[in-house]
Amino acid sequence: EVQLVESGGGLVQPGGSLRLSCVASGFTFRSYWMHWVRQAPGKGLVWVSRINSDASSTNYADSVKGRFTISRDNAKNTLYLQMSSLRAEDTAVYYCARAPFCTTSCYNFDYWGQGTLVTVSS
Amino acid sequence: QSALTQPASVSGSPGQSITVSCTGTSSDVGGYNYVSWYQQQPGKAPKLIIFDVIKRPSGVSNRFSGSKSGNTASLTISGLQAEDEADYYCSSYASSTTWVFGGGTKLTVL
Repeated sequence: EVQLVESGGGLVQPGGSLRLSCVASGFTFRSYWMHWVRQAPGKGLVWVSRINSDASSTNYADSVKGRFTISRDNAKNTLYLQMSSLRAEDTAVYYCARAPFCTTSCYNFDYWGQGTLVTVSS
Repeated sequence: QSALTQPASVSGSPGQSITVSCTGTSSDVGGYNYVSWYQQQPGKAPKLIIFDVIKRPSGVSNRFSGSKSGNTASLTISGLQAEDEADYYCSSYASSTTWVFGGGTKLTVL
């Protein structure tokens, strides 16, 4: 069974930093692209970042570019999101999501974690 | 990276069909056949129900179907059931290896 479990959320002051983790199990983690998607309280889903299977390629939404860094450790089956210069508008539940194997179509999100809440407030 | 446009809400009675639209541009919805749809129940993670415009993952009811015309994609739910009440989001691959979501549509089953 595919499982994605996020952790690392919490309360942080504006301008602060936080690192989120997502531990994967039930599939060959090193073979799949992974994403972070966030959802502000009561709002819609927003794509944040993507990393390819061997971490050689990363992409970011304009709203987080230069402040957030996505990475992965395939030996530990873990995805990360390092967030810095945090703003109130970064307050959201952060989900990690898997893209399907690219021999089918890797342009969607087929499994999601339960999310971890990040609150940016003084 | 502007959000795709969805109606805020739709409603229907049990057994009826409803359609949710998702409008983007030629740089996202219109430019690629990589539109996907997600169902999100309150307090839960999103669930993939349609990918590549028209395809259904295994285990998803065939009451859910997708289509696209130009810059607008659509999700149709036929034979509406009470359990279909949820928020629905479209997503599209966009240029420069980025993705974009719609603002979400709340489906109410009357």
